[in-house]
Amino acid sequence: AQSVTQLDSHVSVSEGTPVLLRCNYSSSYSPSLFWYVQHPNKGLQLLLKYTSAATLVKGINGFEAEFKKSETSFHLTKPSAHMSDAAEYFCVVSDGAGGSYIPTFGRGTSLIVHP
Amino acid sequence: EADIYQTPRYLVIGTGKKITLECSQTMGHDKMYWYQQDPGMELHLIHYSYGVNSTEKGDLSSESTVSRIRTEHFPLTLESARPSHTSQYLCASSGPGGGKWANVLTFGAGSRLTVL
Repeated sequence: AQSVTQLDSHVSVSEGTPVLLRCNYSSSYSPSLFWYVQHPNKGLQLLLKYTSAATLVKGINGFEAEFKKSETSFHLTKPSAHMSDAAEYFCVVSDGAGGSYIPTFGRGTSLIVHP
Repeated sequence: EADIYQTPRYLVIGTGKKITLECSQTMGHDKMYWYQQDPGMELHLIHYSYGVNSTEKGDLSSESTVSRIRTEHFPLTLESARPSHTSQYLCASSGPGGGKWANVLTFGAGSRLTVL
């Protein structure tokens, strides 16, 4: 069975400082991993996706994530936070077990950016 | 520009009313999903569909029902709304396996339901 754990419910940073949002996954297969962002009163939007082509994945708005199989992690980073990055971030795993690609969402991490 | 549309965006109704939340997508995706999300909380999968005439219940038990008569349309119905149904409902779809966009979810803007 697949599962995903987002290690922080809230992360608070100052504008211009690095962002780290942590995600650990569990899967019996080679998983696809995703990060989605949800801005207030908006729908969810894909930030980036990992599918084994490269362990470092670049996404939109300067975000990137590194897949580390040995650590079963897929942490999301950004070198310099912007006020517009304040949002809810969801880590998602989908491993296709039994032919099902139903994704499993983490609980979400709220990113707070201070001026 | 959204390729998946949800209506209504906001709905306030009284207890006992029947409501249908509409979801349509123009991408030809086979898989569609309904998630329930309380403010600031995680997403809970309540229904999904692999294609026409296919519907399955998700992880979270729900009193709602869904239908999939056409590929592009996946409405969610509550026969008798209660205050406990107050929540945001998010519809999503995803394309076939393989390729860059395999299993990527495209979300609608959501329907925020308040039951008085």
